[in-house]
Amino acid sequence: EVQLVESGGGLVKPGGSLRLSCAASGFTFSSYSMNWVRQAPGKGLEWVSSISSSSSYIYYADSVKGRFTISRDNAKNSLYLQMNSLRAEDTAVYYCARGTTVTSFDYWGQGTLVTVSS
Amino acid sequence: QSVLTQPPSVSAAPGQKVTISCSGSSSNIGNNYVSWYQQLPGTAPKLLIYDNNKRPSGIPDRFSGSKSGTSATLGITGLQTGDEADYYCGTWDSSLSAGSVVFGGGTKLTVL
Repeated sequence: EVQLVESGGGLVKPGGSLRLSCAASGFTFSSYSMNWVRQAPGKGLEWVSSISSSSSYIYYADSVKGRFTISRDNAKNSLYLQMNSLRAEDTAVYYCARGTTVTSFDYWGQGTLVTVSS
Repeated sequence: QSVLTQPPSVSAAPGQKVTISCSGSSSNIGNNYVSWYQQLPGTAPKLLIYDNNKRPSGIPDRFSGSKSGTSATLGITGLQTGDEADYYCGTWDSSLSAGSVVFGGGTKLTVL
């Protein structure tokens, strides 16, 4: 069974940093691209970042470029999102999702809440 | 403001059919595949349709997708109360230098 479990969310002050993790199991992690998608409270989905299976290709939304860094460790079946210079507008539930095509995400984690507030 | 435009809400009676539209441009829907997601209240999104009209294993054929030009449509037949959810379209957008994944603003389906 495919499982994606996010962790690392919490309350952080504006300007602070946080590192999210996503532990994957039930599939060959190194064969799939992975993605982070976020959802602000009461709002729609917003794509954050994508990373190819071998980390050769990495993409970011303009809203997080230069502040967030996506990475993966295929040996540990894990995906990461390093978030720096956090802003109030980064407050959201962050989901990791497996990619089957560039824009098709077939499995999602349960999400981890990040709250940026003083 | 989302790059892809969806109606904020749609409604229909149980057993009826409903369609949800997703309008974009040549830089996104016009030249890329479209996916559709269902998000039940309090849960993570679930893939319903990929590559415009394909259903993942386990998705009933009550759900269908189509694309024409710069617009895509999700169709749901035989509506059930359990279909009440938010629905999102998504695709690739190549208007910016590196490209990006874009989602519609979401459509709330109410089954009356």
